[in-house]
Amino acid sequence: GENVEQHPSTLSVQEGDSAVIKCTYSDSASNYFPWYKQELGKRPQLIIDIRSNVGEKKDQRIAVTLNKTAKHFSLHITETQPEDSAVYFCAAVTGGGNKLTFGTGTQLKVEL
Amino acid sequence: NAGVMQNPRHLVRRRGQEARLRCSPMKGHSHVYWYRQLPEEGLKFMVYLQKENIIDESGMPKERFSAEFPKEGPSILRIQQVVRGDSAAYFCASSPLRSDSPNTEAFFGQGTRLTVV
Repeated sequence: GENVEQHPSTLSVQEGDSAVIKCTYSDSASNYFPWYKQELGKRPQLIIDIRSNVGEKKDQRIAVTLNKTAKHFSLHITETQPEDSAVYFCAAVTGGGNKLTFGTGTQLKVEL
Repeated sequence: NAGVMQNPRHLVRRRGQEARLRCSPMKGHSHVYWYRQLPEEGLKFMVYLQKENIIDESGMPKERFSAEFPKEGPSILRIQQVVRGDSAAYFCASSPLRSDSPNTEAFFGQGTRLTVV
């Protein structure tokens, strides 16, 4: 089955700096890669996603890149703000359903 | 649209009791997924259901755990004879069936936090 690795496990940045989180996946058949943000005690919320036929997608301060050959994808947050502090999870989906295989999460802390 | 509704939000059970977790998907969604999140860990897939069908239960423990999604009513995740290691947050997610775009956003419920004492 699919295996997703995520790095780093913790990331501390200064407000206004950029943050990058990287994930790799094992199953070359995976075709959908969402990113979720989870605040303490709350539900995971989708912040951006990318499909395998696209190399990059951007939504305001958030962007995701996908390298199918290398089987890795990354989340980029620019101009970070304190409210960006949360745990971020990457995930991969193989096939036509929505069975998510999650990475282990990155605790992002944006310091003033 | 009320979103994915899970209840209860918090559930305390003594060892050996049964836990029943409920999930009502978003209106129009026919797919339900259950995930477990242990403290300080990521989410792990448990089971994928459509109405009256279990599609993929590869993440379910072999014993004590079962899930259903009846024709009427919410999806139920049932844990029999709970043990302390079952203490976790259990999240349900739902997504619609779209033939033109098989992978679509999965919307998560608020989760049920199960504590076994």
